[in-house]
This record gives sequence, C-alpha cells and structure tokens, in this order.
Amino acid sequence: EDQVTQSPEALRLQEGESSSLNCSYTVSGLRGLFWYRQDPGKGPEFLFTLYSAGEEKEKERLKATLTKKESFLHITAPKPEDSATYLCAVQAGYTGANSKLTFGKGITLSVRP
Amino acid sequence: DSGVTQTPKHLITATGQRVTLRCSPRSGDLSVYWYQQSLDQGLQFLIQYYNGEERAKGNILERFSAQQFPDLHSELNLSSLELGDSALYFCASSVRYGGEQFFGPGTRLTVL
Repeated sequence: EDQVTQSPEALRLQEGESSSLNCSYTVSGLRGLFWYRQDPGKGPEFLFTLYSAGEEKEKERLKATLTKKESFLHITAPKPEDSATYLCAVQAGYTGANSKLTFGKGITLSVRP
Repeated sequence: DSGVTQTPKHLITATGQRVTLRCSPRSGDLSVYWYQQSLDQGLQFLIQYYNGEERAKGNILERFSAQQFPDLHSELNLSSLELGDSALYFCASSVRYGGEQFFGPGTRLTVL
C-alpha cells in the first residue's frame, strides 16, 4: 500500500528564516510526486509535479526536489503570506486506482513577521 | 481559481438524511476524482470517473455513490448520514488519468 509521511507536523518560522519540509514516500512505482498548498477551509492549490529522482522545480520562494525515497520543499526567506498547510501526494500509475493521489497529512507552516 | 466548481459550499443536515454534492470539472478535463478530508484522516480518495464511466474506487462507503453525466459534471450522493460523515468533500479534475489534479473549493458537510 502506498504511504506518504510528512515531517514535521508543524513548523513556525520567523520571516526570512529559510527551512525545508520533508515528504517520505513508499510507492510500488512512482509516476509522480505532487506538492499542494492548502489554506484553511479552501481546496488544495497545485504547486509542483516531480517525476524522477534528481528533478527540481522552483516557483518564487519555493523549490521542490526529489530523491528515490523522499522529496523536500525548500522555502527561502519566507513571508507571512507563505503560511499554509503544505501537502505532498504520490501517484502510482496512470490507470484505474493507481491514478489516485495518496496524500500525507500535511505540514502546517506559520511564518511570523 | 482552479476552474473546478463545487456546490454547495456548506451543507448542514441531520443524521439519517441524504445529500447530493455537485462538481463541475475544468473545461476539457475528462477525469473527476472525489476526496474526503477529515481532521484525523487527512485527504482520502473516494472514487474516480473518466468520461462518464467509473474507473476506480477507494475506501468509499456503500452508503455513498457517485455518477458523472454526459456534460462531465459529477455528483456525489451521501445517504443515511452519520455524525462521522461530517468532513470537507473535494472534487478534483484532470485532463486524463495521470498527472496533476486540480481541486475545487470543497463542500463542508456538517451532520448534526
């Protein structure tokens, strides 16, 4: 069974204090690893897709990286508006139940001004 | 705005009742997924439809059912509601089976 573990559960940073969020996964055959941002009471907002080990994607202050066992979401010089829950999900295939996303429980990030 | 719409935003009902949640996917997307999000379980996959046909089921209760219509919108029907069914219900759509899924704003269901 596919599993996704995110750590830490919560992270409090001072504005400008860079850090990394971890996502460890176990999947039979990874087709994609996804990062989403979710604000309270809202739907997850797509951030990145990573397909193979060594791949990196960047968007503003966020950079996602992927190895064969884990992914990191690096946040450089965060601002208070980066406060949200960050979700990691894996996809094991492109057909049937394999195309579903298996999510971790998320990391709640708070950035203090 | 992801382009996925869901109605209603909030739903408050009593135990034993039946409700219907509606989802319209992004224009051009053929695949619709339904997820349930509760505080203790996180986001859990319920069911997937592709171009009108059911393609995959997750841990969906027998009291729950769904369908996708010819115009590609989808409905999730929840019946004999219990207190534990209170949660956020999201639908997501994608162009095909794999790849990115784009989520709607969700329906918050409260069962009293």
